[in-house]
Amino acid sequence: AQSVTQLGSHVSVSEGALVLLRCNYSSSVPPYLFWYVQYPNQGLQLLLKYTTGATLVKGINGFEAEFKKSETSFHLTKPSAHMSDAAEYFCAVSDLTGANSKLTFGKGITLSVRP
Amino acid sequence: EPEVTQTPSHQVTQMGQEVILRCVPISNHLYFYWYRQILGQKVEFLVSFYNNEISEKSEIFDDQFSVERPDGSNFTLKIRSTKLEDSAMYFCASSVVLAGDEQYFGPGTRLTVT
Repeated sequence: AQSVTQLGSHVSVSEGALVLLRCNYSSSVPPYLFWYVQYPNQGLQLLLKYTTGATLVKGINGFEAEFKKSETSFHLTKPSAHMSDAAEYFCAVSDLTGANSKLTFGKGITLSVRP
Repeated sequence: EPEVTQTPSHQVTQMGQEVILRCVPISNHLYFYWYRQILGQKVEFLVSFYNNEISEKSEIFDDQFSVERPDGSNFTLKIRSTKLEDSAMYFCASSVVLAGDEQYFGPGTRLTVT
């Protein structure tokens, strides 16, 4: 069975500071990894994904994540936080062992950005 | 830009009542999903649907739940006899292909069972 761990429920950074949101996964097969963002009263929007190939993945809004197989991690980073980045962030994993590529999500992390 | 839509945004129902949550996936997508998120907990997979039949379902998706694609555009989740513990945000999602593809999510329906 797959699982995703996102430690902590809330991260607060100053505007312009580095954003680091941690994600560790457990999967018995090569995973597909995703980061989704949810703004208030909206659905989940894909930030970036890793399927195969380059382990450093760039996404929208200046975010990137690095797949580290040895650490079973897929941490999300952004060099300089912006006020508009305040949202809830979900890490998710999927594979092909089932009939469909269902997503298994972490609990999510709320990012606050201080002026 | 195409988007997944869900109605209603908020549904309040009494325990034991039937509810139908509605979703309109993106028109050229072939795979459809329902997820739910109980307040303060993880987003959990409920069911996936392809070619007019259920492809996979979780332990949560028991006989009280059913899904249907009654026409070419709508995708519905029915809960026959709601329980208090069914109170959650329900998300519909769709994707074009299967492996590693982005699932596009709707804004969710908040179901409150009293």
